[in-house]
Amino acid sequence: DAKTTQPNSMESNEEEPVHLPCNHSTISGTDYIHWYRQLPSQGPEYVIHGLTSNVNNRMASLAIAEDRKSSTLILHRATLRDAAVYYCIPKSYNTDKLIFGTGTRLQVFP
Amino acid sequence: GAGVSQSPSNKVTEKGKDVELRCDPISGHTALYWYRQSLGQGLEFLIYFQGNSAPDKSGLPSDRFSAERTGGSVSTLTIQRTQQEDSAVYLCASSPRTGVGEKLFFGSGTQLSVL
Repeated sequence: DAKTTQPNSMESNEEEPVHLPCNHSTISGTDYIHWYRQLPSQGPEYVIHGLTSNVNNRMASLAIAEDRKSSTLILHRATLRDAAVYYCIPKSYNTDKLIFGTGTRLQVFP
Repeated sequence: GAGVSQSPSNKVTEKGKDVELRCDPISGHTALYWYRQSLGQGLEFLIYFQGNSAPDKSGLPSDRFSAERTGGSVSTLTIQRTQQEDSAVYLCASSPRTGVGEKLFFGSGTQLSVL
């Protein structure tokens, strides 16, 4: 499984954009990059995933580096509800499970 | 629509007792996953099912842990002779199928406390 490196914690103010980085230098060419988040006292929820191209959905954008060794999850306008632990997870064709790392704890201040 | 449902939401038991945790996946989802999360820790994979079969049981911590899935739907995680280190939140997730691009839908978990 590809190893990931994420900051332990980040802070943002409400209404500001947030860029959450993830390094996954050992990713293989066919691994998808998934992002999940876990709000306090809840199970994780899917945020976004991609392979090579940048991806957008109603929750966030995912910017994938050209060499695919890193990616950035972008929350365009942070809200208090976005305070959570964000997990970056490479997913391989060789496995059907998601392996969660320690993630980045995002704090959002009013 | 209905999401992944887990019961009970909280379970307190005495050391040495057996417990059963239940997961009702989203209707039609063929893949089902069990994870556990100890206090302040990340998620630890336990087992997953494709239909009623479990291709990967590699995360089960010991032979005290077992899981089954019947009718391609409900799954039960059983812990025999519980120990205090089994205290954790047990999370279940389902997905429409397995695959590199499939997303998992998680339940809210069962908080297990072993006294």
